[in-house]
Amino acid sequence: DQQVKQNSPSLSVQEGRISILNCDYTNSMFDYFLWYKKYPAEGPTFLISISSIKDKNEDGRFTVFLNKSAKHLSLHIVPSQPGDSAVYFCAASADFGNEKLTFGTGTRLTIIP
Amino acid sequence: NAGVMQNPRHLVRRRGQEARLRCSPMKGHSHVYWYRQLPEEGLKFMVYLQKENIIDESGMPKERFSAEFPKEGPSILRIQQVVRGDSAAYFCASSPGDWLHEQYFGPGTRLTVT
Repeated sequence: DQQVKQNSPSLSVQEGRISILNCDYTNSMFDYFLWYKKYPAEGPTFLISISSIKDKNEDGRFTVFLNKSAKHLSLHIVPSQPGDSAVYFCAASADFGNEKLTFGTGTRLTIIP
Repeated sequence: NAGVMQNPRHLVRRRGQEARLRCSPMKGHSHVYWYRQLPEEGLKFMVYLQKENIIDESGMPKERFSAEFPKEGPSILRIQQVVRGDSAAYFCASSPGDWLHEQYFGPGTRLTVT
């Protein structure tokens, strides 16, 4: 039962353009959402998060949008840079006090110079 | 400020042997989570520990796997009598346990069972 889904296994974007990564979830108890970036042979690196009481959060080139009614969130990266090439994981948590994360299967982003 | 430390980074075990994976959380973090990533899959939650307590082990196989986070020292994930299907990357994450949900991950231990 995949509660967090990233339906695009891969995405290629030209350098300087916008990258949009999508994530859907099924569990309505999720109230906090996070994006992680992962390079090969390294651990995931936290990028940005959003609480369910908000619909948008920005941090530099990264913006996360949350649509609770559609159970959908997206990560926008603009402008995309070659160093952004990595696998991006969407994750969700519920239950303050036990923030175990449920991860999607990841989207491999390739930035084309 | 050192990040989450995991060792060893690579571990090779023959079927039937024991594997011990260690995790030292970030300074000031009292919550530790273990996740497993199988090839071409996302990370799957295994266990959540606080000092001397297992809070949630719902993601851990019932047999052969155990975890601890003693009062002193690192958290240990122990796999007894390893099988080929245990080959995976095992990641530890820590958090301060405040209202923020962000977890910070270590570099992982890549376990290969031959």
